[in-house]
Amino acid sequence: KAGVTQTPRYLIKTRGQQVTLSCSPISGHRSVSWYQQTPGQGLQFLFEYFSETQRNKGNFPGRFSGRQFSNSRSEMNVSTLELGDSALYLCASSLEKPSTDTQYFGPGTRLTVL
Amino acid sequence: GESVGLHLPTLSVQEGDNSIINCAYSNSASDYFIWYKQESGKGPQFIIDIRSNMDKRQGQRVTVLLNKTVKHLSLQIAATQPGDSAVYFCAENDWYSGGSNYKLTFGKGTLLTVNP
Repeated sequence: KAGVTQTPRYLIKTRGQQVTLSCSPISGHRSVSWYQQTPGQGLQFLFEYFSETQRNKGNFPGRFSGRQFSNSRSEMNVSTLELGDSALYLCASSLEKPSTDTQYFGPGTRLTVL
Repeated sequence: GESVGLHLPTLSVQEGDNSIINCAYSNSASDYFIWYKQESGKGPQFIIDIRSNMDKRQGQRVTVLLNKTVKHLSLQIAATQPGDSAVYFCAENDWYSGGSNYKLTFGKGTLLTVNP
């Protein structure tokens, strides 16, 4: 079974631009979560989607948004990029609930904002 | 153990030794715990999980111990190899943080270095 895939793997953007990241979960997994990972803050939860609905959201500004499609694939968008948005963005999928079902991570998208 | 600041706790061991990585979790209501391994440039990789109705669970070369009394979790790696060098994270389903059961809360991680 293929793992979680994320595209692109690397991105370089400038301040003020926007970016869209994509995540394809493991086949059969319906829950997709997004995390931001930085050296200073560790892994921070962004949001979680299930059946095209956002069920939970972390403490991030409204510039961070996401969505999920009917095939469970998910995208996240960051608008008006700031230098501090430079991070590794990780997507993880689980069967139904990340709180009780094992969550598997993708390789991440490394975003650099200049 | 867990880091509360910018610096990761580190553990340095010799190849072949056993490693023990510790984690203090925050919520006594948490009932599902996972250990992940993250190598440089890669996403976290699932190692082993444990539910609160168990005290111990074993995998291949790894054992997780759960002490609910003191809210402590540990990961033991037997016969540590250079390929085990990575950052190890524990995670808990923090039921009451934000009142949601749809996320895991991660610790800051521990950097394990295995010397040949």
